[in-house]
Parts: sequence; C-alpha cells; structure tokens
Amino acid sequence: DAKTTQPTSMDCAEGRAANLPCNHSTISGNEYVYWYRQIHSQGPQYIIHGLKNNETNEMASLIITEDRKSSTLILPHATLRDTAVYYCIAHPFGNEKLTFGTGTRLTIIP
Amino acid sequence: GAGVSQSPRYKVAKRGQDVALRCDPISGHVSLFWYQQALGQGPEFLTYFQNEAQLDKSGLPSDRFFAERPEGSVSTLKIQRTQQEDSAVYLCASSLSADWYGYTFGSGTRLTVV
Repeated sequence: DAKTTQPTSMDCAEGRAANLPCNHSTISGNEYVYWYRQIHSQGPQYIIHGLKNNETNEMASLIITEDRKSSTLILPHATLRDTAVYYCIAHPFGNEKLTFGTGTRLTIIP
Repeated sequence: GAGVSQSPRYKVAKRGQDVALRCDPISGHVSLFWYQQALGQGPEFLTYFQNEAQLDKSGLPSDRFFAERPEGSVSTLKIQRTQQEDSAVYLCASSLSADWYGYTFGSGTRLTVV
C-alpha cells in the first residue's frame, strides 16, 4: 500500500468546515483513497472513498487532486461529535487488508 | 443486531493465562477481520476470514494467537499464555463482500495483562 502522510493534529471551530489533508504521492493506479475515523473508545468508522473523481456522501466530501498525489476530506459543518482521529488510507483493490497509519487527531472547539 | 458486537468489553488477565475474545459480525457479512490496536497507534491487521475459511493470518504476532470462525459467523480470537505485550484493544470488523472495503468495526475488547 502507498504510504500516506497526514498532520498529527488539527483544530477546527464548531460550525466551520473541517478540511483534513492527506499526501499520497506514491499512490498507484489501482489504489483507492479511503477515509475512516475513530471516536474515542470506539472502533474505526468508514467515511468515504474515491479513486480519482471527487465524492460526496451524507458524512463528508472527498476531493482528490488531478494527479492523485493528495486529497482532502471535508466535513462541511463540524460538530463536537466530529472530534476523532481521522485515517487516510491508500488501498489497492483486491487486497483485503486495510493498513492504518497514525492519522490526524481532529479537535472541534466550541 | 445492527452492528458488530464484541465481548467482553474489558478483560484483565494475569500473565500466563489464556483468554478468548468473541466477535459477532453483522448477519450475512462474508468477510471478518481481527485487528490489534496499541495505545496511541492505528489498528494493525491480525487475520482475515472469508466465511469459515481463514485466508490470511500473516498479522498474528506469534503461535500463541489463534482465531477461528467455524460456521462462518461468530469468530473467536484466542491468546494462550498471555504476556504483557499482548495488552491492547482487539478490534473485529466485518464486510458484506470480499470486494467492499467499507468495513464495520466493533467497539473492541480492551485486554490488560497484569
């Protein structure tokens, strides 16, 4: 799996958009970008994934650069419940093993 | 149930004791995974089942770790002769099919070896 690089921590004001960056400059053509988050004392929760097009669901939006070397997860209106560790994963299709890094600890500030 | 259920939620074991951790995946989910999460780290893969077949056990740290899923639903992770370095959160995840990677995780079992 391609290595991903994320900031260790970020803060965001409640009600604002939280933009979480991820660098995956060595991503290969068959690797998707997956985002999970882990709220304290819970297991990871799937958020969204994409290959090269931008994606949006009820939880978030995923913006992938044209060269696919980086992406941004956007939580449009952050709430206190969005405080969590967010993991960006470059995952090849056909490989069952998700490989988590250490992620970004996002703190939403009231 | 609606989610992946793990039991017990917390387990304290004396060094050398055997433990068994249970995972009830979402009904009908084909794939089942076990992960180990040390404090402050991301989850690390242990093993993977497709139905009752254990297709990958490359992440099991030693032969003291054993996992089974005999009827393709409930799974048990067993750790023999526990050691302090086994202290971690053990997470179970399931997925509807082998090619869907939006796994549903349980809340985990926190194992403390004293």
